[in-house]
Amino acid sequence: TQLLEQSPQFLSIQEGENLTVYCNSSSVFSSLQWYRQEPGEGPVLLVTVVTGGEVKKLKRLTFQFGDARKDSSLHITAAQPGDTGLYLCAGTNTGNQFYFGTGTSLTVIP
Amino acid sequence: DTGVSQDPRHKITKRGQNVTFRCDPISEHNRLYWYRQTLGQGPEFLTYFQNEAQLEKSRLLSDRFSAERPKGSFSTLEIQRTEQGDSAMYLCASSLSGREVAGYTFGSGTRLTVV
Repeated sequence: TQLLEQSPQFLSIQEGENLTVYCNSSSVFSSLQWYRQEPGEGPVLLVTVVTGGEVKKLKRLTFQFGDARKDSSLHITAAQPGDTGLYLCAGTNTGNQFYFGTGTSLTVIP
Repeated sequence: DTGVSQDPRHKITKRGQNVTFRCDPISEHNRLYWYRQTLGQGPEFLTYFQNEAQLEKSRLLSDRFSAERPKGSFSTLEIQRTEQGDSAMYLCASSLSGREVAGYTFGSGTRLTVV
């Protein structure tokens, strides 16, 4: 069961454009993570957010955790072809296992 | 440590056959997870172990699926009487309990194709 809905499901943009990916749920999470996955590989952790309203920056990526800890967003500034991949959010409310979102497939065209 | 290793990387099997996958986690990680992922979708949780104990199993894990982690190190996932709907990428991940903020380390997965 996917508790986390991501939007959009697919995104194709030109190099240099900005984009935002959303991760929404009706459940409250104690922490939420974002991963990036390339074809044929496992997901790789980008960031963990644990506090409602928290904002974290990783170079051109900005992550925000919603005040109510039910949603999150990922904003990429000046996208590059190397940003291409499947972006996944994952949340937990027990700390025991994370449930992953439906995924956003991003293609950045040179 | 070379990270999480999964073997084989690819498996093609005929419907009705049994298959077994292996996962070797990061050595100091006491938690091990199995997920299933279909193309373009997020991973679906199957089960997880803390040391050798299997602490949770998803309802997705039918009676045909069984997982073990006998010595708290490597784990195996067996699928009996495979069906075409079992075709997917099977991902293994490991972590250290109490350090969930550090995230999971995933292996590269085993891609199963049932023909």
